[in-house]
Amino acid sequence: TQLLEQSPQFLSIQEGENLTVYCNSSSVFSSLQWYRQEPGEGPVLLVTVVTGGEVKKLKRLTFQFGDARKDSSLHITAAQPGDTGLYLCAGNQAGTALIFGKGTTLSVSS
Amino acid sequence: EAQVTQNPRYLITVTGKKLTVTCSQNMNHEYMSWYRQDPGLGLRQIYYSMNVEVTDKGDVPEGYKVSRKEKRNFPLILESPSPNQTSLYFCASSYRGHEQYFGPGTRLTVT
Repeated sequence: TQLLEQSPQFLSIQEGENLTVYCNSSSVFSSLQWYRQEPGEGPVLLVTVVTGGEVKKLKRLTFQFGDARKDSSLHITAAQPGDTGLYLCAGNQAGTALIFGKGTTLSVSS
Repeated sequence: EAQVTQNPRYLITVTGKKLTVTCSQNMNHEYMSWYRQDPGLGLRQIYYSMNVEVTDKGDVPEGYKVSRKEKRNFPLILESPSPNQTSLYFCASSYRGHEQYFGPGTRLTVT
């Protein structure tokens, strides 16, 4: 059973467009993280959200944690080719290992 | 520089030939883990360790062994590799199992 569902699985857009990636679950998480992975490299942590309803901004990236702490979204404004990569969400539940979603592959063309 | 290192980065081997992938971190993290990443299946945890001499199974532990004799090292051992263990492997470390710092990956091919 996949506890964290990411959508869409693939996204191909033009430079300058906006996009949103979703990470959903029926389970409650104590915290949720977003990672970005480029081909041939390990995932790199972008942000951690902890509080229900929390919103964090990282330049053109906006991360939101759902009020019930079961879901999260990543919004990118004015996407650039450098945003291309695999975006992974990962959640912590008390006393268990970190659970990863399968990821969203984003391709931004100029 | 804070980092997680893995060796080797690439490995081609044959079925049944024991191999070890090393992992080392210089951040004094208690928590370390191993993942495999396969197309369509995402990142799946193999084993993790909460501290020295403490290890536990993740989601896909079959065919793998680990040890944690020192805080900084967490080697992954394949006693008898099989073709279904062909994959991209990542080691990661963290302070308390939350934000993970990943190594660069080891691409393993078993023929």
